[in-house]
Amino acid sequence: DTGVSQDPRHKITKRGQNVTFRCDPISEHNRLYWYRQTLGQGPEFLTYFQNEAQLEKSRLLSDRFSAERPKGSFSTLEIQRTEQGDSAMYLCASSFRSTGADLSGANVLTFGAGSRLTVL
Amino acid sequence: GQSLEQPSEVTAVEGAIVQINCTYQTSGFYGLSWYQQHDGGAPTFLSYNALDGLEETGRFSSFLSRSDSYGYLLLQELQMKDSASYFCAVALGGATNKLIFGTGTLLAVQP
Repeated sequence: DTGVSQDPRHKITKRGQNVTFRCDPISEHNRLYWYRQTLGQGPEFLTYFQNEAQLEKSRLLSDRFSAERPKGSFSTLEIQRTEQGDSAMYLCASSFRSTGADLSGANVLTFGAGSRLTVL
Repeated sequence: GQSLEQPSEVTAVEGAIVQINCTYQTSGFYGLSWYQQHDGGAPTFLSYNALDGLEETGRFSSFLSRSDSYGYLLLQELQMKDSASYFCAVALGGATNKLIFGTGTLLAVQP
């Protein structure tokens, strides 16, 4: 397994354009998270999938952001009508949770290298 | 709201021991994790505490006191490669069990 892959690694776009990021998680992992990180800050939670179901979306996320995870495999994060404030590193992470009550495995997130977005 | 407090920067010399503290106030708590992130790299998992006490993994140890809403990461025998940002993260539990991250501590190891 090659870990969590994200594409593209860098994206420069003009304000108002749409951008899409792709994440391929570790194949055995059933949980997938998107985080956003700006310089000097910790990762900020955006949204979460358990298999193909999107179970939570941050209240801070505007309607311009949408994420999908068809068939519970790869995921895409789309930002419509980008704004300069969207410039950040977008991180994808995956983890595995068993069906039991033990959540410990779910706390070990494996992050991808991120997709850096610059909005001009 | 959720808040996790960490020192913004710590400086230490090679071979020394350094402790990075984390205090938290969150709506839920299932465990405290620590992640390391080198400049330009992805966060990588270091350790996890669900119960009070000390967990040791090689040169790194992590401690949790749930009654004090406090934990720390202890790095021993510091090496230059340990220069990185260190984040504590609280697992909120519940159906999502998402991690909420602190703002990070930038550790500079000097020769």
